[in-house]
Amino acid sequence: GAVVSQHPSRVICKSGTSVKIECRSLDFQATTMFWYRQFPKKSLMLMATSNEGSKATYEQGVEKDKFLINHASLTLSTLTVTSAHPEDSSFYICSAPAGVRGYTFGSGTRLTVV
Amino acid sequence: DAKTTQPPSMDCAEGRAANLPCNHSTISGNEYVYWYRQIHSQGPQYIIHGLKNNETNEMASLIITEDRKSSTLILPHATLRDTAVYYCIVSLDGGYQKVTFGTGTKLQVIP
Repeated sequence: GAVVSQHPSRVICKSGTSVKIECRSLDFQATTMFWYRQFPKKSLMLMATSNEGSKATYEQGVEKDKFLINHASLTLSTLTVTSAHPEDSSFYICSAPAGVRGYTFGSGTRLTVV
Repeated sequence: DAKTTQPPSMDCAEGRAANLPCNHSTISGNEYVYWYRQIHSQGPQYIIHGLKNNETNEMASLIITEDRKSSTLILPHATLRDTAVYYCIVSLDGGYQKVTFGTGTKLQVIP
């Protein structure tokens, strides 16, 4: 139980375009979703916390206008990277509360901006 | 800042036990210790968790010191597929608390 499906697994986009990453909770309702960014050989860095029906809370230094997070339903949270640039290239991971197991993570999205 | 510290890397011979330590000296009384592992280019996967008692499941054992300031994850018979980055975190029960991940330990299982 407590499975989060994340799509796409990898995406390549051109500079200046926007990319949307989706995380769906398949067998439970995720009222909260955490979004992380991970650089090569580095740890997960928390970007923001989204709660269903309210505005996301961003960590210090994360541009809320660049990384738009929407959590409009109990089963879907999205991260949109707007006006993407090469420095936005990274591995993005979502995570949701999973009861006794603590957290359940999506499989990640590899974003490459060219 | 992360509430846990781990050695950045460890090697383990295939078939031997892998013992991965984690320090969490500022853990609160109601925070659990969770262990996850991340295989390259995948999301982290749950391994085991505990509050104060030692725990064992089909994947691993978790030994928590009596003062709860540190713990050790034990993979009893490491295989090549156990090569991954292992993260320990501390958090309240349920997973609603945001957490800061530490560096994790890159475990390399050697044939």
